[in-house]
Amino acid sequence: SYVVTQPPSVSVAPGETATLTCGGYGIGGKRVHWYRQKPGQAPVLVMYNDRDRPSGIPERFSGSNSGNSATLSISRVEAGDEAAYYCQVWHVSGDHGPKVFGTGTQVTVL
Amino acid sequence: EVLLVESGGGLVRPGGSLRLSCVASGFTFSDYSMNWVRQAPGKGLEWVSSISRPGTSIMFYADSVRGRFSISRDNAKNSLYLQMTSLRAGDTAVYYCARGTDELATDDAFDLWGPGTMVTVSS
Repeated sequence: SYVVTQPPSVSVAPGETATLTCGGYGIGGKRVHWYRQKPGQAPVLVMYNDRDRPSGIPERFSGSNSGNSATLSISRVEAGDEAAYYCQVWHVSGDHGPKVFGTGTQVTVL
Repeated sequence: EVLLVESGGGLVRPGGSLRLSCVASGFTFSDYSMNWVRQAPGKGLEWVSSISRPGTSIMFYADSVRGRFSISRDNAKNSLYLQMTSLRAGDTAVYYCARGTDELATDDAFDLWGPGTMVTVSS
């Protein structure tokens, strides 16, 4: 099965940039999507197709993907960005491969 | 308002069955693929199953539920379902329905989520 790895936690000071990574073999050849989940709430899509922002997501959020790692960057971090972030890909296997989530990264704003 | 609302969760004994529902509103349900995603207490997200938009009849499942769970939809009722059988303790989770961004339910993101419904499998 395809494994997608994320660091368990990232800490960042307000106003700085948080860099979240999502690792997987050849992930640069896949479309990576990112979700933010606050405690007790459903996930929210914050980035899709590597670098596209859904409406309502600020320009502070940006994405990239190449090689074996995808990245979600959050610039000018605010207290409200504190949450768990999950990446997700579609892994082709057989007729219809599974949709795989990363292990998640907890972002803490210091 | 664009919404998804799940229902049908509850406490069920191991080996039992449960049917989850998800009602959509505020958008043309039949234009979209749909998905179920679950989250065990204190754990990460796990994709469960997907179904394409009507007319293409594509359904697929995670290995962990294949053969036990069945996804379906009723476009006249704007509803998505998950029939769960042979439930195990490991199926205990919050179950979310989520709208897909690709009509064939492949290689897509989930751009709208419901609040979730809790399923607890315990004796």
